[in-house]
Amino acid sequence: GAVVSQHPSRVICKSGTSVKIECRSLDFQATTMFWYRQFPKQSLMLMATSNEGSKATYEQGVEKDKFLINHASLTLSTLTVTSAHPEDSSFYICSAPGSGFNYGYTFGSGTRLTVV
Amino acid sequence: GQQVMQIPQYQHVQEGEDFTTYCNSSTTLSNIQWYKQRPGGHPVFLIQLVKSGEVKKQKRLTFQFGEAKKNSSLHITATQTTDVGTYFCAGTPTGGGNKLTFGTGTQLKVEL
Repeated sequence: GAVVSQHPSRVICKSGTSVKIECRSLDFQATTMFWYRQFPKQSLMLMATSNEGSKATYEQGVEKDKFLINHASLTLSTLTVTSAHPEDSSFYICSAPGSGFNYGYTFGSGTRLTVV
Repeated sequence: GQQVMQIPQYQHVQEGEDFTTYCNSSTTLSNIQWYKQRPGGHPVFLIQLVKSGEVKKQKRLTFQFGEAKKNSSLHITATQTTDVGTYFCAGTPTGGGNKLTFGTGTQLKVEL
């Protein structure tokens, strides 16, 4: 089945630094990738939609300049958290729509970001 | 914007008891999907419902999509400790492309 590989799984960074998170579709081409953020014991909140070869679409309230999304190829989408602050600490997950009627969406394993 | 609520927020059951989570959307959905997220893990796709009134079963799990395509439910018969996790419904609004809005989730704990 479809597999999305997400790295890193955990990262601790200092305030003011930037962190890049990668999501790769391993056995299929993902023209679209969704990026979610999840706080402890809460639901997944869609941050943005990345589309291969075009600009990402951000949800209302998500800062474009802070959360840089790049979808450089059909198998790679990246999220860069720039000038990270402690309030950016969260669980970030990418997902790609499945191929076929009943495949659902495939999620990466997530990245636990802690900003100190 | 679209809101998808789930009740209950938490549910503790004894192993062998049944469990149901209910999902309600503020807008009509083109389809509803259900996901399970284990503690510390990522959401895993369970099923997708598309038709009004549709009912699907997966072993001990029964999924329903409401006639108005605004609500859904997941029922687990005779829960097991392996059922522990948070269950999310997620839907795409009618005419809203493929962007999923997740429900608030129901956390299930199963005790022996």
